[in-house]
Amino acid sequence: QQQVKQSPQSLIVQKGGISIINCAYENTAFDYFPWYQQFPGKGPALLIAIRPDVSEKKEGRFTISFNKSAKQFSLHIMDSQPGDSATYFCAAPGGVGQAGTALIFGKGTTLSVSS
Amino acid sequence: EAQVTQNPRYLITVTGKKLTVTCSQNMNHEYMSWYRQDPGLGLRQIYYSMNVEVTDKGDVPEGYKVSRKEKRNFPLILESPSPNQTSLYFCASSPRLEETQYFGPGTRLLVL
Repeated sequence: QQQVKQSPQSLIVQKGGISIINCAYENTAFDYFPWYQQFPGKGPALLIAIRPDVSEKKEGRFTISFNKSAKQFSLHIMDSQPGDSATYFCAAPGGVGQAGTALIFGKGTTLSVSS
Repeated sequence: EAQVTQNPRYLITVTGKKLTVTCSQNMNHEYMSWYRQDPGLGLRQIYYSMNVEVTDKGDVPEGYKVSRKEKRNFPLILESPSPNQTSLYFCASSPRLEETQYFGPGTRLLVL
């Protein structure tokens, strides 16, 4: 079974600090690596994604760094704000079945930004 | 409005009573999937579908069935629910796998 390993499981950061979440994957079936953000009571929503023709992508305070050789990518949240408090999931290719490739999510990181 | 809808949003049932959770998307997406979310376990894929009549098992398919007879609908069927299927369920769709997954609002299921 293909694995997607996300760390840390939880993270507490002070307002204005940097939050870093890491993800390691095994399968290289496709080149699309997203991070999803989930607030309590809501479904996950895409935050930022990267296609590894580049090693880094930045959108506002959020940056993905990608290391293809290590099969790892990370999410950096600069100037973390209380409104960033949420659960974050990475996703990567899973196994290949008769219906194509599955998409596997990490176990999630609960981020709390204290004011 | 482009969206993924799930019904019901909340459901309390008893062991063994068959139930169906509906999922519908209005974006003409080919890829649809079901996930269950449990504390500490993240989002685990139950089933996925690449198109009409093409479905496959995810990581935790035991006790579940799906069908994809129309492109827009992807119902999740629990033939004989058990308490270990108590969970929060999400349906998602995307144009294809390597694009944004759009999640529904979730269905919270309690099996007594």
